[in-house]
Amino acid sequence: AQKITQTQPGMFVQEKEAVTLDCTYDTSDPSYGLFWYKQPSSGEMIFLIYQGSYDQQNATEGRYSLNFQKARKSANLVISASQLGDSAMYFCAMRDGSYDKVIFGPGTSLSVIP
Amino acid sequence: KAGVTQTPRYLIKTRGQQVTLSCSPISGHRSVSWYQQTPGQGLQFLFEYFSETQRNKGNFPGRFSGRQFSNSRSEMNVSTLELGDSALYLCASSWELRGGPTDTQYFGPGTRLTVL
Repeated sequence: AQKITQTQPGMFVQEKEAVTLDCTYDTSDPSYGLFWYKQPSSGEMIFLIYQGSYDQQNATEGRYSLNFQKARKSANLVISASQLGDSAMYFCAMRDGSYDKVIFGPGTSLSVIP
Repeated sequence: KAGVTQTPRYLIKTRGQQVTLSCSPISGHRSVSWYQQTPGQGLQFLFEYFSETQRNKGNFPGRFSGRQFSNSRSEMNVSTLELGDSALYLCASSWELRGGPTDTQYFGPGTRLTVL
């Protein structure tokens, strides 16, 4: 069965430091996509980055990069040079070829400290 | 390009009433999905619509229903509201012809429903 695990309910990081948010997933389908979303206190889910299971390189989008380790079924989000505006909930999500719906992990609350 | 819009942004209802929420997807997007988010249950998938047809459905009672119009706009309806229906309801749209692993969903700001 599909499953997304985020083991860090809350994290703190100093401004300008890098932070890694963990995500592990489970699927039996060889074709899948992994997504990270940011949800500020306003509630809107903001798409950050995508990684496909067949992508040869780790995805990067500005200060966001994805540390994709396929054999370990992990897709950790790395935020470089944290900013105060990065304080939010972060959700890891997956969609595979077996199901049309996207499943989400429980989220990690990130607080950036000045 | 305008993002996903949801109306209303906030709603207060009482138990037993019904409510209709609206979602307008990004222009050109044909798939619309609905999610319920609560502190206790997290993000839960409600249903997905594509070309006016419900393509997937989550594990919610029949009080939750939805539809999609020919312009891809979608509505969801909750009848006989219960206290536990208080939540943030998020709508997401995506473009691809058939949802696949690369199909990225873009979310609206959500409708915050409070049931008293």
